Amino acid sequence: DAKTTQPPSMDCAEGRAANLPCNHSTISGNEYVYWYRQIHSQGPQYIIHGLKNNETNEMASLIITEDRKSSTLILPHATLRDTAVYYCIVRVRGSARQLTFGSGTQLTVLP
Amino acid sequence: SQTIHQWPATLVQPVGSPLSLECTVEGTSNPNLYWYRQAAGRGLQLLFYSVGIGQISSEVPQNLSASRPQDRQFILSSKKLLLSDSGFYLCAWTPQGPGNQPQHFGDGTRLSIL
Repeated sequence: DAKTTQPPSMDCAEGRAANLPCNHSTISGNEYVYWYRQIHSQGPQYIIHGLKNNETNEMASLIITEDRKSSTLILPHATLRDTAVYYCIVRVRGSARQLTFGSGTQLTVLP
Repeated sequence: SQTIHQWPATLVQPVGSPLSLECTVEGTSNPNLYWYRQAAGRGLQLLFYSVGIGQISSEVPQNLSASRPQDRQFILSSKKLLLSDSGFYLCAWTPQGPGNQPQHFGDGTRLSIL
């Protein structure tokens, strides 16, 4: 699976949009981009995933560049409860194997 | 709806003692099941995964083993715990078959070895 690179930490003001970047320059054509988050001492929570089109759900939006080498997770109106470590992961479609979690981005939403 | 349960939530064990952590999934059949470990301040490391009863794949050599005695039950075990086995253990599942379904995680077991 392709390796991902994320900034180690970011701050965001409460009520503003949080934009979390991820680089996956070695992604292959059959690999999806997944985003998870982990609040301290809890299991990771699935947020969203996509292949090449932008995706939106009730939690967030995922913007994938045309060359698929990077993506951005957007939390449109961040709240204090969105403070967590956010992981960007790529995985081959249909793979039963692992999600390879890196070190992620610690997002801190400030009041 | 599907749910995943892990227990216990926390566990303190002495070095050399045995271990058994259990994970069960409800509301689905024939899921893919996974055990991960997360050391403090680090990302998740896949330990084992299973695509069916009795089918276990190990990702890293270690002091742990896994078993899947029933379709929706996944057990992580050790005969003799080491200090290095301390960590946060997470179970996860996905539906079987091709596709891009995300993994869903349990709440984890925090294991401390003394």
